[in-house]
Amino acid sequence: EPEVTQTPSHQVTQMGQEVILRCVPISNHLYFYWYRQILGQKVEFLVSFYNNEISEKSEIFDDQFSVERPDGSNFTLKIRSTKLEDSAMYFCASIQEANSPLHFGNGTRLTVT
Amino acid sequence: AQSVTQPDIHITVSEGASLELRCNYSYGATPYLFWYVQSPGQGLQLLLKYFSGDTLVQGIKGFEAEFKRSQSSFNLRKPSVHWSDAAEYFCAVGGTTSGTYKYIFGTGTRLKVLA
Repeated sequence: EPEVTQTPSHQVTQMGQEVILRCVPISNHLYFYWYRQILGQKVEFLVSFYNNEISEKSEIFDDQFSVERPDGSNFTLKIRSTKLEDSAMYFCASIQEANSPLHFGNGTRLTVT
Repeated sequence: AQSVTQPDIHITVSEGASLELRCNYSYGATPYLFWYVQSPGQGLQLLLKYFSGDTLVQGIKGFEAEFKRSQSSFNLRKPSVHWSDAAEYFCAVGGTTSGTYKYIFGTGTRLKVLA
């Protein structure tokens, strides 16, 4: 069964550094999402992306965050200047069409020191 | 606005006992409802979904959930819990808001299974 893949599985970075989290959604999917889960807390919506543009973003997704689909297969989340509170598990997800279940990747654990 | 409430943060049951995890939602139209399970250090795996039709839906691993519109609930059940069911369970509601399709997750219920 096709799956969403995320790399790296774990990223450690220093405060103020830029990080790029990478995702390869399922190939025929059209809607892409990033979610964040701070350790032991809820899964929080960050951003949705459709037709090569952001369709919605949460208040968490401020100017330090950006997303890109550079080549038709990868879907990236960039954090320009990381803060300690950005430490979390970041999940990429995709769906083929509206109202179908999200398919999640296994996540990238980001640790900001 | 969409919202999902899982009132139980932690639940402990004995292996072999029955299980019910509660989920209440708020959504203006007919919701699309999901239950996901997350094992430690893993991603979220879909257990089951409700779109329409029969209000009792069957999922993987022996789980089922019942949609009750009058109570705005979508509780997850399993008749006999196995030790491997210990995990965190998330209820989610999906729907279109202002032209965007969006999923909102509850805060999760952590299930502990006693041998």
